[in-house]
Amino acid sequence: DAMVIQNPRYQVTQFGKPVTLSCSQTLNHNVMYWYQQKSSQAPKLLFHYYDKDFNNEADTPDNFQSRRPNTSFCFLDIRSPGLGDAAMYLCATSSDGYEQYFGPGTRLTVT
Amino acid sequence: KQEVTQIPAALSVPEGENLVLNCSFTDSAIYNLQWFRQDPGKGLTSLLLIQSSQREQTSGRLNASLDKSSGRSTLYIAASQPGDSATYLCAVKGGGNKLTFGTGTQLKVEL
Repeated sequence: DAMVIQNPRYQVTQFGKPVTLSCSQTLNHNVMYWYQQKSSQAPKLLFHYYDKDFNNEADTPDNFQSRRPNTSFCFLDIRSPGLGDAAMYLCATSSDGYEQYFGPGTRLTVT
Repeated sequence: KQEVTQIPAALSVPEGENLVLNCSFTDSAIYNLQWFRQDPGKGLTSLLLIQSSQREQTSGRLNASLDKSSGRSTLYIAASQPGDSATYLCAVKGGGNKLTFGTGTQLKVEL
């Protein structure tokens, strides 16, 4: 089945220790998104790639970076995680910005 | 700036009841509206997408309507089941590739 896969599902990192979250897709969609969702809150868009073009949201902290080496993969790098970065991170894909399909998420804990 | 509101924030109903979830948005210049389901600690599952030119979409026991001019959408769930218990999120797509989410309605269907 075509799908959006996120690894790992659960990630524990120490305060200030860089961490990378992974997203892959078999849908061959050209748009990939990263969202942050904190408890009982709506998902918040961090950035997205339209093909190879990176689009950052104005209020996304510089601590968050992303890479998209090819169509199938996209990575979220948190350079120096703080306690406030503990959240669920959701990856989504779409074809030309149409319907979005989400992965299962990665729950990040910062100790 | 688009704002999306979902009422009620939480809802508890007995099994078998028909129910309606509400979503309102402030800017009627949307391309589409998407309803999602989110189970605790999981990612988002797309339920229905309504294009701005459409009035409703149906999938099984779910029916979503859209009144773009008044900035409202409803999700109707027929004959609710305990397995329908989840948080339901609506999201609207305006210009660009960005979805704006509501904070969701937490539904509990009791036996």
